[in-house]
Amino acid sequence: DVKVTQSSRYLVKRTGEKVFLECVQDMDHENMFWYRQDPGLGLRLIYFSYDVKMKEKGDIPEGYSVSREKKERFSLILESASTNQTSMYLCASSLLGGTYGYTFGSGTRLTVV
Amino acid sequence: AQKITQTQPGMFVQEKEAVTLDCTYDTSDQSYGLFWYKQPSSGEMIFLIYQGSYDEQNATEGRYSLNFQKARKSANLVISASQLGDSAMYFCAMRAPQGGSEKLVFGKGTKLTVNP
Repeated sequence: DVKVTQSSRYLVKRTGEKVFLECVQDMDHENMFWYRQDPGLGLRLIYFSYDVKMKEKGDIPEGYSVSREKKERFSLILESASTNQTSMYLCASSLLGGTYGYTFGSGTRLTVV
Repeated sequence: AQKITQTQPGMFVQEKEAVTLDCTYDTSDQSYGLFWYKQPSSGEMIFLIYQGSYDEQNATEGRYSLNFQKARKSANLVISASQLGDSAMYFCAMRAPQGGSEKLVFGKGTKLTVNP
């Protein structure tokens, strides 16, 4: 069964901490994505990557960075966590032009206190 | 820019009845794809159905069908014979080109509650 695995289901961090959210996929997909989900706002794209070491900003990249050193792994980095980054973070991967959409991880619920 | 609009924050339906969840989209691209996802309370995103912009027939997957009206730019999801397990958030999404690749743009979602 194909999978996208996010390293943590729940995470609590302090304001100002550097936070790493890890995502690994085993499907050899080119594309990987980080979304943020908030009630009433749906899913908003933070960053995505279409190849190793390549990254593109999504709709809300401020306060975040990403790293993709290997095809299967895509990391989201909060350089200095703030309370307004408390949210559900969803990682996804896909083949370019696929008709089955994206495969999502189970999500990381991050709370910044 | 591409945009997805879901105008129903919440919907209620009786078990075994059909329900339609609305989705309209905005794009200037000629080639695009439309998706529906289900998100139960557990949080995982489950792919339900896909419609390509050049597909002449409406997509169907079991109890799910997509009512695609290209001229009206609508892609409504129809769930027939609702079940209690259908209670969830439902998201409409569109694949949009971005640089040398592509991304999915999501609507804000509709929360469906199926009553016994």
